[in-house]
Amino acid sequence: GAVVSQHPSWVICKSGTSVKIECRSLDFQATTMFWYRQFPKQSLMLMATSNEGSKATYEQGVEKDKFLINHASLTLSTLTVTSAHPEDSSFYICSARRTGENTGELFFGEGSRLTVL
Amino acid sequence: GIQVEQSPPDLILQEGANSTLRCNFSDSVNNLQWFHQNPWGQLINLFYIPSGTKQNGRLSATTVATERYSLLYISSSQTTDSGVYFCAVVRGGNEKLTFGTGTRLTIIP
Repeated sequence: GAVVSQHPSWVICKSGTSVKIECRSLDFQATTMFWYRQFPKQSLMLMATSNEGSKATYEQGVEKDKFLINHASLTLSTLTVTSAHPEDSSFYICSARRTGENTGELFFGEGSRLTVL
Repeated sequence: GIQVEQSPPDLILQEGANSTLRCNFSDSVNNLQWFHQNPWGQLINLFYIPSGTKQNGRLSATTVATERYSLLYISSSQTTDSGVYFCAVVRGGNEKLTFGTGTRLTIIP
């Protein structure tokens, strides 16, 4: 398999602050990474597709100015939740696929649980 | 977009029992994966199975792409099998993974 690491695992912040979550592919290169959000007892919903060296593609209903995505290298994508509010509290999880395998197997990070007070 | 439905939504079994989880999808797919989400939220890759049958220990999976469904079999269940099982698909011509509704499995000692 392949390893995807996410950091931090847990974060608690005050309303109005910004939080950055990192997603790294440890043993492979990933031109494309995906960010998902999961609310309690629900399935995973795709937020955006992160593309190395270009702008992210956001799903309908996801605010791009609120959820900033940067994919500066082939092994790192970051998600920044700006001016976080309690309704942004959720489980955020990233995934990555080996470069060149457009429909190949996806590997997921451990997830980051965000609580906004 | 593609619809991915899983059944049953909840399943409670005694340790040692066998189970079959189903995943139905509404369009042709290039990729289908099964995951186990543990109590800490981590997604564990079980199978990458766009078609055919695979086995890994007590788990096996079958995907019949032409009939748009996949099955996950768990034999001789253990309490550590508890959690939520998701199937997820990549629709033809796309590269995004869409998740199913999930099956919550509880194994009782």
